Amino acid sequence: KNQVEQSPQSLIILEGKNCTLQCNYTVSPFSNLRWYKQDTGRGPVSLTIMTFSENTKSNGRYTATLDADTKQSSLHITASQLSDSASYICVVSVRNYGGSQGNLIFGKGTKLSVKP
Amino acid sequence: EPEVTQTPSHQVTQMGQEVILRCVPISNHLYFYWYRQILGQKVEFLVSFYNNEISEKSEIFDDQFSVERPDGSNFTLKIRSTKLEDSAMYFCASSASGTGLLYEQYFGPGTRLTVT
Repeated sequence: KNQVEQSPQSLIILEGKNCTLQCNYTVSPFSNLRWYKQDTGRGPVSLTIMTFSENTKSNGRYTATLDADTKQSSLHITASQLSDSASYICVVSVRNYGGSQGNLIFGKGTKLSVKP
Repeated sequence: EPEVTQTPSHQVTQMGQEVILRCVPISNHLYFYWYRQILGQKVEFLVSFYNNEISEKSEIFDDQFSVERPDGSNFTLKIRSTKLEDSAMYFCASSASGTGLLYEQYFGPGTRLTVT
């Protein structure tokens, strides 16, 4: 069964500190992996998208890594800010038979709280 | 910056009633999606829609659900006879493309549906 698992479930860090969130997936065939940020009561907003051939991708203070062999990804947040408090969701897309992207499979997310 | 909008932001309805959730996708997008997120759970795919027909649907999207693009701008999700377990946040999303590896889906802010 296609699944995406994330850890930790929740995390509290002090402003200015770094943190790393983990994602393991069992999705096959794999198309791409995304990290989304979801503020409370809002829709998810895309941070990064990576295909199997990409090992790392950055978006400002966010850096995502992907190991397609071990089916693991991480999201590293540098110099955290109060506005980083949100849920961070790992999402994996299944590859359709014709090679195009299929539908998105969401993890439960890691709830990050950044404290002053 | 163009965005997906959804109305209402919160809908309360009695069990057995019909509800229609409305979405206005980004204007030049051609692919439309509905997702739901039960409180505390992960986001789940419901249905994708392209060229005035359903492209794909999940097992959640049973005969109680239907989607429609009644005009050039709106995209609706109808639940014919709501059940308590339909209580969730419903997200609409749209994308410019539905093929290729990296099409981006843009999510709306969601409609919180409460069935009593």
